[in-house]
Amino acid sequence: ELKVEQNPLFLSMQEGKNYTIYCNYSTTSDRLYWYRQDPGKSLESLFVLLSNGAVKQEGRLMASLDTKARLSTLHITAAVHDLSATYFCAVEIRGSNYKLTFGKGTLLTVNP
Amino acid sequence: NAGVTQTPKFRVLKTGQSMTLLCAQDMNHEYMYWYRQDPGMGLRLIHYSVGEGTTAKGEVPDGYNVSRLKKQNFLLGLESAAPSQTSVYFCASSYAGGPSGTQYFGPGTRLLVL
Repeated sequence: ELKVEQNPLFLSMQEGKNYTIYCNYSTTSDRLYWYRQDPGKSLESLFVLLSNGAVKQEGRLMASLDTKARLSTLHITAAVHDLSATYFCAVEIRGSNYKLTFGKGTLLTVNP
Repeated sequence: NAGVTQTPKFRVLKTGQSMTLLCAQDMNHEYMYWYRQDPGMGLRLIHYSVGEGTTAKGEVPDGYNVSRLKKQNFLLGLESAAPSQTSVYFCASSYAGGPSGTQYFGPGTRLLVL
């Protein structure tokens, strides 16, 4: 059974600071996804990481994947208030018709 | 394109009542999924479908049934609602094959079972 663990689950940051969210998973996987969810809203796709060493960047967010360590990171650079949201990583079970197993999410609050 | 839509947006049920949640997508996606989201639990897969006329169980299927009679629609049914089914339900869809299996999510249905 695939287990996906995110940490931290809660993160309070000051604007302008950097931080990293970690996503560990327990078995071999083909793909890893990062999603963002604003309060009361749906999930929005941020990144898809398809191979070992993959790095994707969009604005102040950068995601990377180390399949050997079964670890993905979401790095936040110079945080701004607009980044406040819950961030989920999701891992695709190999050969599973794209079924995803989600982490519990990281609630990020960026304070002025 | 509307993307993925869900009906209704919010519903209150009494224990034992039944209801059907409708998910529709206009992206011609083969795969569709139903998730539930509970506080502190992330999203958990209830049922999914890999094509018209097919369904399969996910992680938490008990108490739910699904049908996919048309490619664009995926229905989630609760035959006898229980308070434990109070949750936010999300539908998602994705292409089959290709380099990315990104799932696109609907706006969600908030269900309260009293």
